[in-house]
Amino acid sequence: DAKTTQPNSMESNEEEPVHLPCNHSTISGTDYIHWYRQLPSQGPEYVIHGLTSNVNNRMASLAIAEDRKSSTLILHRATLRDAAVYYCILRDGNAGNMLTFGGGTRLMVKP
Amino acid sequence: EAGVAQSPRYKIIEKRQSVAFWCNPISGHATLYWYQQILGQGPKLLIQFQNNGVVDDSQLPKDRFSAERLKGVDSTLKIQPAKLEDSAVYLCASSLFGSDQETQYFGPGTRLLVL
Repeated sequence: DAKTTQPNSMESNEEEPVHLPCNHSTISGTDYIHWYRQLPSQGPEYVIHGLTSNVNNRMASLAIAEDRKSSTLILHRATLRDAAVYYCILRDGNAGNMLTFGGGTRLMVKP
Repeated sequence: EAGVAQSPRYKIIEKRQSVAFWCNPISGHATLYWYQQILGQGPKLLIQFQNNGVVDDSQLPKDRFSAERLKGVDSTLKIQPAKLEDSAVYLCASSLFGSDQETQYFGPGTRLLVL
């Protein structure tokens, strides 16, 4: 699987937007960009995914660079419950449904 | 809809002892995964089942780890004998078909401490 690079940690204030970056300079044309997050003492949960176009859902937005070598997960208004480790994962569209996790970004939200 | 269930939630054993973890996936999900998550790292896939058959067990330490999913529903993961480096959270996940880009749903995990 192609590798992703994320900052180890980020801080945000409550009710402010948060932009979580992910670099994937070796992404291939068939790789989808997935984001999962892991709240404390819980298993990971799906957040969002995309291929080329920006995506929105009730949890977040995903902005994908035009060259697809980077992407940004956007939480529009961070709450204390958004404090978690966020994982950016590339999944090959031709290689089944494997999830290969990196170290992720630990997001801390301050009240 | 009930999520993925795992038990026990916590287990403390001494090295060289045996331990088993149980997972009940979301009803109707054909694919089941076991992951190991060492403190400070992301989860690592140990084994993937499609119904009761193994799809991928390339990262399962087969000298001490075993897993089964006999009736294509529940699954157990066993470690025998345990080593100190097996201390980790063991996560079970399931997905509906195991097809490309499909969402995986995770249980809360079993936290294992080997002394």
